[in-house]
Amino acid sequence: EVQLVESGGGLVQPGGSLRLSCVASGFTVSSNYMNWVRQAPGKGLEWVSVIYSGGSAYYAESVKGRFTMSRDNSKNTIYLQMNSLRAADTAVYYCARDSFMADWGQGTLVTVSS
Amino acid sequence: DIVMTQSPDSLAVSLGERATINCTSSQSVLYSSRNKNYLAWYQQKPGQPPKLLIYWASTRESGVPDRFSGSGSETDFTLTISSLQAEDVAVYYCHQYDTTPWTFGQGTKVEIK
Repeated sequence: EVQLVESGGGLVQPGGSLRLSCVASGFTVSSNYMNWVRQAPGKGLEWVSVIYSGGSAYYAESVKGRFTMSRDNSKNTIYLQMNSLRAADTAVYYCARDSFMADWGQGTLVTVSS
Repeated sequence: DIVMTQSPDSLAVSLGERATINCTSSQSVLYSSRNKNYLAWYQQKPGQPPKLLIYWASTRESGVPDRFSGSGSETDFTLTISSLQAEDVAVYYCHQYDTTPWTFGQGTKVEIK
């Protein structure tokens, strides 16, 4: 059974940093496209980043230069390093498997506020 | 960036009636050499992550009831719920995965009339 479990969210001040993790089970992250998608409170879905099976990562313009997506194959885990956080980054962050996102985690809430 | 526009923003349908949601992309998401449209539909209920319903524009995900169907090609797509059930109350999103940045529609809220 495929399972995705996010962690690492919390309250952070503007300008601060957080690292989100997404532990996968039931499949191998290095063989799949893996995504981060976020949803601000009461708003729609916003794609954040993807890492391809070959290791290349791509980002939404709104986070480019501030967020970095990576993976650790030995831990079957993907990460999202978020720097220079802004109030507009406040959202539930989901990890999702594949280009058409067949599997989703339950999400982790990131709140950027002073 | 490919802009995805859904219509309507919300709709209220009687139980057992048909619900139709449209999604238009600002450029084609058809990958001609594969003859596949890189378009998916998701359902999201309050407090839950999205759930994949349809991919490749018309392929139903395993376990999704057959009252859900997807159609369309290139820039114009439709999600149809043939006979609305109470458990279908949710927000529905289209998503293009043809070109990064991948993008979602703004969502359509489906309610019972």
